[in-house]
Amino acid sequence: DAGVTQSPTHLIKTRGQQVTLRCSPKSGHDTVSWYQQALGQGPQFIFQYYEEEERQRGNFPDRFSGHQFPNYSSELNVNALLLGDSALYLCASSAPLAEMTNEQFFGPGTRLTVL
Amino acid sequence: DAKTTQPNSMESNEEEPVHLPCNHSTISGTDYIHWYRQLPSQGPEYVIHGLTSNVNNRMASLAIAEDRKSSTLILHRATLRDAAVYYCILAEYNNNDMRFGAGTRLTVKP
Repeated sequence: DAGVTQSPTHLIKTRGQQVTLRCSPKSGHDTVSWYQQALGQGPQFIFQYYEEEERQRGNFPDRFSGHQFPNYSSELNVNALLLGDSALYLCASSAPLAEMTNEQFFGPGTRLTVL
Repeated sequence: DAKTTQPNSMESNEEEPVHLPCNHSTISGTDYIHWYRQLPSQGPEYVIHGLTSNVNNRMASLAIAEDRKSSTLILHRATLRDAAVYYCILAEYNNNDMRFGAGTRLTVKP
Protein backbone atom coordinates (compact mmCIF):
# COMPACT_ATOMS: atom_id res chain seq x y z
CA ASP A 1 0.00 0.00 0.00
CA ALA A 2 1.51 3.30 -1.13
CA GLY A 3 -0.32 5.32 1.50
CA VAL A 4 -1.53 8.80 0.63
CA THR A 5 0.12 10.20 -2.46
CA GLN A 6 0.14 13.78 -3.70
CA SER A 7 1.23 15.44 -6.91
CA PRO A 8 3.11 17.43 -7.85
CA THR A 9 5.78 17.59 -5.15
CA HIS A 10 6.67 21.19 -5.86
CA LEU A 11 5.01 23.90 -7.92
CA ILE A 12 5.84 27.51 -8.75
CA LYS A 13 3.13 29.89 -9.95
CA THR A 14 2.71 33.64 -10.34
CA ARG A 15 0.10 35.88 -8.77
CA GLY A 16 -3.31 35.65 -10.41
CA GLN A 17 -2.77 32.19 -11.85
CA GLN A 18 -4.78 29.09 -11.00
CA VAL A 19 -3.43 25.82 -9.63
CA THR A 20 -4.70 22.26 -9.24
CA LEU A 21 -3.23 19.85 -6.72
CA ARG A 22 -4.01 16.13 -6.66
CA CYS A 23 -4.34 13.52 -3.95
CA SER A 24 -4.85 9.76 -3.95
CA PRO A 25 -6.05 8.41 -0.61
CA LYS A 26 -4.79 5.34 1.17
CA SER A 27 -6.37 2.14 -0.12
CA GLY A 28 -9.76 1.56 1.50
CA HIS A 29 -10.23 5.17 2.60
CA ASP A 30 -13.22 7.17 1.40
CA THR A 31 -12.75 10.56 3.04
CA VAL A 32 -10.21 13.17 1.99
CA SER A 33 -9.29 16.35 3.83
CA TRP A 34 -7.06 19.20 2.67
CA TYR A 35 -4.85 21.39 4.85
CA GLN A 36 -2.66 24.43 4.25
CA GLN A 37 0.55 24.72 6.25
CA ALA A 38 2.44 28.00 6.15
CA LEU A 39 6.08 27.98 7.12
CA GLY A 40 6.56 27.56 10.85
CA GLN A 41 2.86 27.03 11.58
CA GLY A 42 0.57 24.08 12.12
CA PRO A 43 -1.68 22.81 9.33
CA GLN A 44 -4.93 24.72 8.82
CA PHE A 45 -8.04 22.80 7.74
CA ILE A 46 -9.37 23.85 4.31
CA PHE A 47 -12.17 21.35 3.63
CA GLN A 48 -13.14 17.70 3.61
CA TYR A 49 -14.71 15.56 0.89
CA TYR A 50 -16.88 12.50 1.36
CA GLU A 51 -19.08 10.77 -1.22
CA GLU A 52 -17.93 13.33 -3.80
CA GLU A 53 -19.30 16.25 -1.81
CA GLU A 54 -17.77 18.88 0.42
CA ARG A 55 -18.78 17.89 3.94
CA GLN A 56 -16.94 20.41 6.10
CA ARG A 57 -15.09 23.62 5.37
CA GLY A 58 -12.63 25.72 7.31
CA ASN A 59 -12.16 29.47 7.16
CA PHE A 60 -10.92 29.75 3.58
CA PRO A 61 -12.29 31.93 0.76
CA ASP A 62 -14.21 30.62 -2.23
CA ARG A 63 -11.01 30.84 -4.30
CA PHE A 64 -10.28 27.46 -2.73
CA SER A 65 -12.41 24.71 -4.20
CA GLY A 66 -12.19 20.99 -4.53
CA HIS A 67 -13.51 17.86 -6.06
CA GLN A 68 -13.65 14.20 -5.20
CA PHE A 69 -13.89 11.52 -7.85
CA PRO A 70 -15.73 8.16 -7.71
CA ASN A 71 -12.42 6.42 -6.94
CA TYR A 72 -12.10 8.70 -3.85
CA SER A 73 -9.14 10.65 -5.23
CA SER A 74 -9.39 14.40 -4.86
CA GLU A 75 -8.26 17.70 -6.30
CA LEU A 76 -7.70 21.07 -4.66
CA ASN A 77 -8.09 24.11 -6.90
CA VAL A 78 -6.96 27.59 -6.00
CA ASN A 79 -7.91 30.52 -8.25
CA ALA A 80 -6.45 34.01 -8.44
CA LEU A 81 -3.34 33.05 -6.51
CA LEU A 82 -1.96 35.48 -3.94
CA LEU A 83 1.53 35.63 -2.48
CA GLY A 84 0.03 34.50 0.81
CA ASP A 85 -1.10 31.23 -0.74
CA SER A 86 2.51 30.05 -0.73
CA ALA A 87 2.50 27.06 1.61
CA LEU A 88 2.70 23.30 1.94
CA TYR A 89 -0.64 21.76 0.99
CA LEU A 90 -1.37 18.51 2.76
CA CYS A 91 -3.93 15.88 1.92
CA ALA A 92 -5.18 13.43 4.54
CA SER A 93 -7.43 10.41 4.16
CA SER A 94 -9.43 8.42 6.65
CA ALA A 95 -11.32 5.15 6.70
CA PRO A 96 -15.08 4.68 6.44
CA LEU A 97 -17.01 5.42 9.63
CA ALA A 98 -17.98 1.75 9.99
CA GLU A 99 -14.35 0.87 10.69
CA MET A 100 -14.54 2.88 13.92
CA THR A 101 -11.04 4.24 13.60
CA ASN A 102 -10.18 7.83 14.32
CA GLU A 103 -6.86 8.17 12.52
CA GLN A 104 -6.01 10.41 9.59
CA PHE A 105 -3.20 9.49 7.25
CA PHE A 106 -1.34 12.40 5.71
CA GLY A 107 0.51 12.62 2.43
CA PRO A 108 3.92 14.28 2.06
CA GLY A 109 2.36 17.46 0.71
CA THR A 110 2.75 19.74 -2.29
CA ARG A 111 4.97 22.79 -1.80
CA LEU A 112 3.38 25.73 -3.65
CA THR A 113 5.37 28.90 -4.20
CA VAL A 114 3.59 31.97 -5.57
CA LEU A 115 5.84 34.67 -7.04
CA ASP B 1 -13.63 25.72 18.78
CA ALA B 2 -11.93 24.18 21.78
CA LYS B 3 -8.30 25.26 21.88
CA THR B 4 -5.14 23.71 23.23
CA THR B 5 -2.03 25.27 24.73
CA GLN B 6 1.37 23.67 24.37
CA PRO B 7 4.93 24.84 25.10
CA ASN B 8 6.69 26.08 21.98
CA SER B 9 9.70 23.81 22.46
CA MET B 10 11.18 21.13 24.67
CA GLU B 11 14.47 19.28 24.85
CA SER B 12 15.22 15.74 25.88
CA ASN B 13 18.20 13.45 26.07
CA GLU B 14 18.26 10.29 24.03
CA GLU B 15 16.89 7.19 25.79
CA GLU B 16 15.23 9.26 28.52
CA PRO B 17 11.45 9.62 28.96
CA VAL B 18 9.75 12.72 27.62
CA HIS B 19 6.55 14.25 28.96
CA LEU B 20 4.84 16.64 26.55
CA PRO B 21 2.06 18.66 28.24
CA CYS B 22 -1.13 20.05 26.73
CA ASN B 23 -3.74 22.26 28.37
CA HIS B 24 -7.31 22.24 27.10
CA SER B 25 -9.42 23.91 29.77
CA THR B 26 -12.41 24.46 27.42
CA ILE B 27 -12.70 20.83 26.34
CA SER B 28 -16.27 19.61 25.82
CA GLY B 29 -17.65 16.27 26.89
CA THR B 30 -17.58 14.89 23.35
CA ASP B 31 -14.05 16.03 22.46
CA TYR B 32 -11.37 13.42 22.01
CA ILE B 33 -7.73 14.34 22.64
CA HIS B 34 -5.57 13.54 19.64
CA TRP B 35 -1.81 13.70 19.27
CA TYR B 36 -0.04 13.89 15.94
CA ARG B 37 3.59 14.55 15.18
CA GLN B 38 5.33 15.96 12.15
CA LEU B 39 8.86 14.91 11.35
CA PRO B 40 10.98 17.25 9.22
CA SER B 41 9.86 17.38 5.58
CA GLN B 42 6.94 15.00 6.16
CA GLY B 43 3.20 15.22 6.68
CA PRO B 44 1.82 14.76 10.19
CA GLU B 45 1.44 11.23 11.51
CA TYR B 46 -0.97 9.89 14.09
CA VAL B 47 0.48 9.12 17.51
CA ILE B 48 -2.39 8.39 19.90
CA HIS B 49 -5.83 9.53 21.01
CA GLY B 50 -8.08 9.16 24.04
CA LEU B 51 -11.29 10.34 25.68
CA THR B 52 -11.12 9.85 29.46
CA SER B 53 -8.89 6.93 30.35
CA ASN B 54 -5.14 6.72 29.92
CA VAL B 55 -4.12 5.04 26.68
CA ASN B 56 -1.05 3.11 25.58
CA ASN B 57 0.17 2.02 22.18
CA ARG B 58 3.45 0.99 20.64
CA MET B 59 4.51 4.61 20.09
CA ALA B 60 3.52 6.38 23.30
CA SER B 61 1.24 6.72 26.29
CA LEU B 62 -1.42 9.35 26.86
CA ALA B 63 -2.20 10.43 30.40
CA ILE B 64 -5.44 12.38 30.77
CA ALA B 65 -6.23 14.42 33.88
CA GLU B 66 -9.33 13.43 35.82
CA ASP B 67 -11.06 16.73 34.93
CA ARG B 68 -9.87 16.34 31.29
CA LYS B 69 -8.54 19.90 31.23
CA SER B 70 -5.02 18.74 30.54
CA SER B 71 -3.16 15.76 29.16
CA THR B 72 0.40 14.55 28.75
CA LEU B 73 1.97 12.60 25.92
CA ILE B 74 4.67 10.30 27.21
CA LEU B 75 7.48 8.94 25.09
CA HIS B 76 9.04 6.28 27.27
CA ARG B 77 12.52 6.32 25.70
CA ALA B 78 13.21 9.16 23.32
CA THR B 79 15.27 8.41 20.23
CA LEU B 80 16.77 10.80 17.71
CA ARG B 81 13.96 9.79 15.33
CA ASP B 82 11.42 11.22 17.77
CA ALA B 83 12.62 14.77 17.06
CA ALA B 84 9.53 16.40 15.59
CA VAL B 85 6.75 18.92 16.17
CA TYR B 86 4.06 17.35 18.38
CA TYR B 87 0.49 18.59 18.06
CA CYS B 88 -2.28 18.19 20.64
CA ILE B 89 -5.71 18.50 19.02
CA LEU B 90 -9.29 18.34 20.27
CA ALA B 91 -11.94 16.91 17.96
CA GLU B 92 -15.15 14.95 18.25
CA TYR B 93 -14.96 11.28 17.36
CA ASN B 94 -14.75 10.79 13.59
CA ASN B 95 -14.69 14.55 13.12
CA ASN B 96 -11.88 14.84 10.66
CA ASP B 97 -11.77 18.62 10.97
CA MET B 98 -8.50 18.68 12.85
CA ARG B 99 -7.67 22.17 14.20
CA PHE B 100 -3.91 22.17 14.64
CA GLY B 101 -2.12 24.72 16.81
CA ALA B 102 1.55 25.58 16.62
CA GLY B 103 2.59 22.44 18.51
CA THR B 104 5.69 21.68 20.57
CA ARG B 105 9.02 21.27 18.81
CA LEU B 106 10.87 18.42 20.52
CA THR B 107 14.65 18.31 20.23
CA VAL B 108 16.39 15.08 21.23
CA LYS B 109 20.05 15.34 22.16
CA PRO B 110 22.41 12.37 21.78
